[in-house]
Amino acid sequence: EPEVTQTPSHQVTQMGQEVILRCVPISNHLYFYWYRQILGQKVEFLVSFYNNEISEKSEIFDDQFSVERPDGSNFTLKIRSTKLEDSAMYFCASSAIRQGGGMNTEAFFGQGTRLTVV
Amino acid sequence: SQQGEEDPQALSIQEGENATMNCSYKTSINNLQWYRQNSGRGLVHLILIRSNEREKHSGRLRVTLDTSKKSSSLLITASRAADTASYFCATDGGGYSTLTFGKGTMLLVSP
Repeated sequence: EPEVTQTPSHQVTQMGQEVILRCVPISNHLYFYWYRQILGQKVEFLVSFYNNEISEKSEIFDDQFSVERPDGSNFTLKIRSTKLEDSAMYFCASSAIRQGGGMNTEAFFGQGTRLTVV
Repeated sequence: SQQGEEDPQALSIQEGENATMNCSYKTSINNLQWYRQNSGRGLVHLILIRSNEREKHSGRLRVTLDTSKKSSSLLITASRAADTASYFCATDGGGYSTLTFGKGTMLLVSP
């Protein structure tokens, strides 16, 4: 069964360092998302991406964050200068059709990357 | 309550019993989805129910949706120890490409 894959599963980084989290969405999906979950808290939306551009982003997704689809299969989240509060589980998701677009389609999530900023 | 709030926050049952979790939301939706998360792991999609549907089944799962009350319930019948996980409801924004999750219900099924 197709699945969203994320690498690495766990990343430890020094505060102020840049990190890139990688995702391979399901191959025929067109919409891609990043969410994060701080330990013990809700899963929060960060950004959605379609047709090589950001379609929506939350307040969390500030200038420290960027996303890219460098080739036909990968979707990356870059955090330019990590802060302690960026420590969280980051989930990539993809869907065939845009969520909330009046169409009914599931969003499939990867296993997540646990980012620990020290 | 906020969009996609589940209750109870924690539920402990014995194997074989049924587990019911509830979700309430505030704004209009196109659909509502339920996800499961094993401790420290990824989100597994369980079921999607459309705003014009009232009930949906998938194996041992039964989901109901009451748009007049802005609430949904997830029933797991004949629970198993392997059902132990956190369960989240997620609503779309009725036009936005985001999912809003609740804090989840932690379900513990004891053998």
